[in-house]
Parts: sequence; C-alpha cells; structure tokens
Amino acid sequence: KQEVTQIPAALSVPEGENLVLNCSFTDSAIYNLQWFRQDPGKGLTSLLLIQSSQREQTSGRLNASLDKSSGRSTLYIAASQPGDSATYLCAVRPMNYGGSQGNLIFGKGTKLSVKP
Amino acid sequence: GAVVSQHPSRVICKSGTSVKIECRSLDFQATTMFWYRQFPKQSLMLMATSNEGSKATYEQGVEKDKFLINHASLTLSTLTVTSAHPEDSSFYICSARQSDIFYTEAFFGQGTRLTVV
Repeated sequence: KQEVTQIPAALSVPEGENLVLNCSFTDSAIYNLQWFRQDPGKGLTSLLLIQSSQREQTSGRLNASLDKSSGRSTLYIAASQPGDSATYLCAVRPMNYGGSQGNLIFGKGTKLSVKP
Repeated sequence: GAVVSQHPSRVICKSGTSVKIECRSLDFQATTMFWYRQFPKQSLMLMATSNEGSKATYEQGVEKDKFLINHASLTLSTLTVTSAHPEDSSFYICSARQSDIFYTEAFFGQGTRLTVV
C-alpha cells in the first residue's frame, strides 16, 4: 500500500531564507509526483508536476526533485517570502491502485510559516 | 491550467438533512472527476472516482448510499451527502481530468467546508 510521508510537519523560518521540504513514498511504482500549495480553508494550487522519468522541475523560486528509486522528493524554496506561508502537500500518482486509476495519494503536508 | 469550480465554498446544515456540492470544469470536458475528503490535520483521502455516464467507483469504507455521486455531463459532477451527521463535517474537494490518459494532471476545485450541526 502506497504511503506518503512529509517531514517536517511544520516549519517556521525568517524571510529570505532558503528552505527544503521533504516527501517520501513507500512504493516507487508511480507515474508522477506533484507538489501543491494549500492556503487555510482553500483549495489546492498545483506548483510542480514531475513525471517519473524526470529528475527535477523548476518554476520561479521553486525547484522540485524526484528520486524515484529511493522514494524521495524535495521541494526547494529560494529566498522565502511571507506570502509563501501555506501548507505544502506532496502527492504521488501510483501505478498500482486497483480500480481508481489516476488518483493521487497525498501526504499530510508541511505547514510553512515565513516571518517578516 | 484548466479551471475547476466548486460550489458552495462553505455550508452549514442541520443533522439529518442532505447537502449537494457541485464540481464544474469551466474550460474543458472532464472525462473523470475525483472526490476527496480532508479531516483536520489529515491527508486528503480519495472517496470516489466518477466517469461521465457511468456509476462512481467508491473507495473502501466510503458508503455509496450516503455519498451520492452523479456525473451526468462532461462538465459537471455532484456529491450529495445524505442524512448528514456531525461526523461528516469535513473539507470536501473535487478534481477533474480532461483526458482518458489516467496519469495526466487533474485540476482541483476550491473545496467545500461542510459543517453539520
């Protein structure tokens, strides 16, 4: 059974700091991995999608890496800003999930707080 | 990216009543829609998968008679929580996929915060 774990559960940093969020998954048989941002009481904003054949994806100050064989992904945020404060979710799209093809398995998220 | 609209964003209902949540794909046709539920400090958990014109596939432990899903058109899926109880209070969110290729990206709605009193 695929399980996704995110460490740390919460993180508080001063503005301007570079930071890394970690995600691990137990089954390397995935199609892709996706990082989302969730603001309190809001829906999900997709940040980066990494296909299983890719090693990393970049968008602005965000860089996500994927090491499928070891079951790990990291989200790197450069020069953090107070507006980056949110919960960051990691999710994998598993190959072996029975009938519900294409769904995502989510971690519990890392709650990030960037202090001005 | 494609836009998925979910309505309402918040709803408070009395115990025993039913609540309907709508999920619409605004600028694409969604062959598949997913419904997730998120309890406080927990992961989003898949409840069911719906394909247009066919019955939804429910995950283990999700009561299909309680959570009615209808995907009558390629742009609209609805989730009806019947005979709601306080333990049904949660954050419900849908996502929609525009392709039959199941590993392509799905786009999420804004979510619905349901409170049953």
